[in-house]
Amino acid sequence: AQSVTQPDIHITVSEGASLELRCNYSYGATPYLFWYVQSPGQGLQLLLKYFSGDTLVQGIKGFEAEFKRSQSSFNLRKPSVHWSDAAEYFCAVVGGGAQKLVFGQGTRLTINP
Amino acid sequence: DTEVTQTPKHLVMGMTNKKSLKCEQHMGHRAMYWYKQKAKKPPELMFVYSYEKLSINESVPSRFSPECPNSSLLNLHLHALQPEDSALYLCASSQGDRDYNEQFFGPGTRLTVL
Repeated sequence: AQSVTQPDIHITVSEGASLELRCNYSYGATPYLFWYVQSPGQGLQLLLKYFSGDTLVQGIKGFEAEFKRSQSSFNLRKPSVHWSDAAEYFCAVVGGGAQKLVFGQGTRLTINP
Repeated sequence: DTEVTQTPKHLVMGMTNKKSLKCEQHMGHRAMYWYKQKAKKPPELMFVYSYEKLSINESVPSRFSPECPNSSLLNLHLHALQPEDSALYLCASSQGDRDYNEQFFGPGTRLTVL
């Protein structure tokens, strides 16, 4: 069965600094990978997704992620964070025809002014 | 219209009450989902409807009863809930039932069971 690990529970960065959120997945075949963001008390918004092709994926709000099969990773990056980026970030995988999105435990991002 | 709406936003109910959560989308999506999210945890899948038929039930207790009256509407009927059922209930929809179909989430219903 597929699984996702987000090693960092909480990350704090300064506004304007670069950001990298880590995600490792476990799945036998090529996975479908997603990054979602959730503001407090809100639903989830899709930032970007990877299905196949170019391993560097561009998303909304200036985010990008790189799929590295050799490392089973799909890390999320942003060159310069804004205070509005403070939120919970979830990496997720789906595969095997099960339609089940399996989420990592999430990384809470705090932005220092 | 590119959003999933959920009503109510907040719901407080006693353990003997019967209530329903409602989810609606007008994107022509044919798969709809219910997730449960406890505080500081990721969402957990409860049910999936594909083409108005229940396709996945993640061993959810029978006090939760889903219903899909048509392709745009998804309900979750609640009866005899327990305090541990208090959570954010998220609805999502996707164009089809393939793994590559991204899911669009609603804002959720915050449920408190007293």
